Amino acid sequence: QVQLVQSEAEVKKPGASVKVSCQPSGYTFNNSAITWVRQAPGRGLEWMGWISSYNGNTQYARVLQGRVTMTTDTSTSTVYLELRSLRSDDTAVYFCASGGSCTSRSCFVDGLDIWGQGTLVTVSS
Amino acid sequence: DIQLTQSPSFLSASVGDRVSITCRARHGINTHLAWYQQKPGKPPKLLIHSASTLQSGVPSRFSGSGSGTEFTLTITALQPTDFATYYCQQVVNYPLTFGGGTTVEMK
Repeated sequence: QVQLVQSEAEVKKPGASVKVSCQPSGYTFNNSAITWVRQAPGRGLEWMGWISSYNGNTQYARVLQGRVTMTTDTSTSTVYLELRSLRSDDTAVYFCASGGSCTSRSCFVDGLDIWGQGTLVTVSS
Repeated sequence: DIQLTQSPSFLSASVGDRVSITCRARHGINTHLAWYQQKPGKPPKLLIHSASTLQSGVPSRFSGSGSGTEFTLTITALQPTDFATYYCQQVVNYPLTFGGGTTVEMK
């Protein structure tokens, strides 16, 4: 079965960092973009950015610049999302999703067709 | 940022109904729009990309139309499995924003 498998739920204190992983199962990323999307409880979807599986290039949402890093471990085909200086409003389910295609310059994502199951990150003192 | 406004936010319908959801973009985005369906506790599912191209495996009762600033997702003959929340997403200008969502509830 083609899917993305994410790491387990996390509970963090304000000011801490969290690192969420995402690994393909039943397929390979094959030069697609891996996008991170989050969803606060009872709210809509928020695009966070993508990382290219082709060469590790990234594109982040401006509102998260300086706090977010997306990386890839090519040896295990695992993608990571790190979010720093956590605040209570970072409490959300974090999804990874693949789709689109990447070149040496950038990625074009016309839709996100494979999703992870989501990782709940709770930020609370 | 390109703001996407979905209407209505909530919609009550019955099995067999024809349902339409609108997504309006503040600025023109050609046909760079995707539609997703999300059920509680699950990740979104891609229904349509490029405004009107049905994703593989998605039933043909779903269709998308529009270009520029106004787009429509139509479900003909609503099925019990279609009660869910639907989101549009523009995929041309960063950040790749989502609409606020439309929840289709059973009447």
